[in-house]
Amino acid sequence: DAGVIQSPRHEVTEMGQEVTLRCKPISGHNSLFWYRQTMMRGLELLIYFNNNVPIDDSGMPEDRFSAKMPNASFSTLKIQPSEPRDSAVYFCASIKGTSGHNHTDTQYFGPGTRLTVL
Amino acid sequence: DQQVKQNSPSLSVQEGRISILNCDYTNSMFDYFLWYKKYPAEGPTFLISISSIKDKNEDGRFTVFLNKSAKHLSLHIVPSQPGDSAVYFCAASVRGSSGDKLTFGTGTRLAVRP
Repeated sequence: DAGVIQSPRHEVTEMGQEVTLRCKPISGHNSLFWYRQTMMRGLELLIYFNNNVPIDDSGMPEDRFSAKMPNASFSTLKIQPSEPRDSAVYFCASIKGTSGHNHTDTQYFGPGTRLTVL
Repeated sequence: DQQVKQNSPSLSVQEGRISILNCDYTNSMFDYFLWYKKYPAEGPTFLISISSIKDKNEDGRFTVFLNKSAKHLSLHIVPSQPGDSAVYFCAASVRGSSGDKLTFGTGTRLAVRP
């Protein structure tokens, strides 16, 4: 299996521009997570989906952030308009677990997208 | 409000010695704890976990200890190897409606000197 795939790996954009990050979870996994990593706050959960349905988006910082999962094999995280403080590494992760808690499953992370907003 | 805290941003250890990484949490509802390891330009990978019903879990050179009364857990690596140099994240979860949601700490960068 190719693992969790994220694109692009690096994104440099100017303030005010729209940014779209993409994620393909591991086939057969039915929960997907978007995280943001910063030096100050570590790994923060932004939103997660179960069976393509958003379950918890309490970590989404502002209305400028939105996420979709149109099908089991694809998700996007969009920032519009982007700001310099959005600069961070964004990770996508997937898990085979369901909305019920399964301690035996672990989250598998993608390689991340490093976003720089100038 | 950081519910999971890793107060040491970095740690340097000599090869062959023990590495001890610490993690504190504030939410007494957490009942499952994990450590993830992250190399540069890669995503975090799962290392070891422990349930709140246990106080120790061992996997090869890696052992995680949980002290529920102190809300503290630690990861011991013995012996440390240069390949262990990475950022280590502590994470915690709560059984129930939150499903598989994890709360991560800020990470500790471990450097193992040859």
